[in-house]
Amino acid sequence: KAGVTQTPRYLIKTRGQQVTLSCSPISGHRSVSWYQQTPGQGLQFLFEYFSETQRNKGNFPGRFSGRQFSNSRSEMNVSTLELGDSALYLCASSPHVGGQYFGPGTRLTVL
Amino acid sequence: AQTVTQSQPEMSVQEAETVTLSCTYDTSESDYYLFWYKQPPSRQMILVIRQEAYKQQNATENRFSVNFQKAAKSFSLKISDSQLGDAAMYFCAYRSPGGGSNYKLTFGKGTLLTVNP
Repeated sequence: KAGVTQTPRYLIKTRGQQVTLSCSPISGHRSVSWYQQTPGQGLQFLFEYFSETQRNKGNFPGRFSGRQFSNSRSEMNVSTLELGDSALYLCASSPHVGGQYFGPGTRLTVL
Repeated sequence: AQTVTQSQPEMSVQEAETVTLSCTYDTSESDYYLFWYKQPPSRQMILVIRQEAYKQQNATENRFSVNFQKAAKSFSLKISDSQLGDAAMYFCAYRSPGGGSNYKLTFGKGTLLTVNP
């Protein structure tokens, strides 16, 4: 089976812009989660989607949003980018039970 | 809220030796899942091993094994016969039970493992 894929792999944006990141889960996985990884804060949970519904949300401002499509692909959007949004954004997909399987991440740099 | 603590920011081991990475967690739940993930430099996160809290037997995956002490809320990872390819950041993670609505992982800060030839 193909693994979790994320596009794009790298992004450079400027403050105030918005960005959309995409994630394709492993075939058959219906749950998709997003995490932000930074050197200072480590890995922090953003949100989780299952069957197009957000089931879980972390402690992030409303500028961070996401959605899931009927084919389980997911997107996350960050509006009005701030310098502190520079991070590695990881997507993970899960089968019904078991661990989460991560994609390679999207490295976002905000200038 | 659950917390995960990895008290060793960095560890090093000689090739072919054994190393143990520590992890403690805090929870009021009786059933949960624990994981170790490996993140090599500039490469993606890989699931190394998982443990269900209701299972008393410690999980093992080839050279990787865990020492799960539920009462002490401790979950250490032992890597035997260390190889150069084991060099990575290792994260301990906790997940609540309930499957359906709890796919959120809570991670520790990580332990950077260096393997010396």
